[in-house]
Amino acid sequence: SQQGEEDPQALSIQEGENATMNCSYKTSINNLQWYRQNSGRGLVHLILIRSNEREKHSGRLRVTLDTSKKSSSLLITASRAADTASYFCARGTGANSKLTFGKGITLSVRP
Amino acid sequence: DTGVSQNPRHKITKRGQNVTFRCDPISEHNRLYWYRQTLGQGPEFLTYFQNEAQLEKSRLLSDRFSAERPKGSFSTLEIQRTEQGDSAMYLCASSDYSGGTTTDTQYFGPGTRLTVL
Repeated sequence: SQQGEEDPQALSIQEGENATMNCSYKTSINNLQWYRQNSGRGLVHLILIRSNEREKHSGRLRVTLDTSKKSSSLLITASRAADTASYFCARGTGANSKLTFGKGITLSVRP
Repeated sequence: DTGVSQNPRHKITKRGQNVTFRCDPISEHNRLYWYRQTLGQGPEFLTYFQNEAQLEKSRLLSDRFSAERPKGSFSTLEIQRTEQGDSAMYLCASSDYSGGTTTDTQYFGPGTRLTVL
């Protein structure tokens, strides 16, 4: 079964605005990974944050992790129409590091 | 491109038929994962290999499903006697596991979309 929730389920913003997406989970993790998926396509890895890290940056992406609250957020700054996609947070757990995904967040960026 | 590749990209079959999918991981990645994704949901873990050893199978993987990774490189996922409920996107991912689970980044292929009529 899938654990955790992503919030909001859908987000619509204007190009140039920032987009913030949240992810909560229930069990302890080794790492948390954010992925992007364009309609009907495979998943593109965006960023991985380890359980002992609090913040990480990659280009226009900023990810935070609060293990005490069991939550993470993904911030996309200066959004572009090309950022329109579904975004998933995936919790890496256990020795096998299998990923547990939520239902995803649908982001629409209006040009 | 040296990413994860999957074949075929699309498969339409009739209920009761057997199907087989192939995944070629990133070269020298020792871990290979299979996930299934249905419409409007996130991917769900099915099974994974470390080299040629299949180390875990999800309860989602009924006895009609079998996966192999005979030489520790490419993998196949076979579904026997397909059912309409098997219709989904089947995703493969690979990672370079070096003992540190905190940095085990998984890279996904484009997926195989299965439609069972």
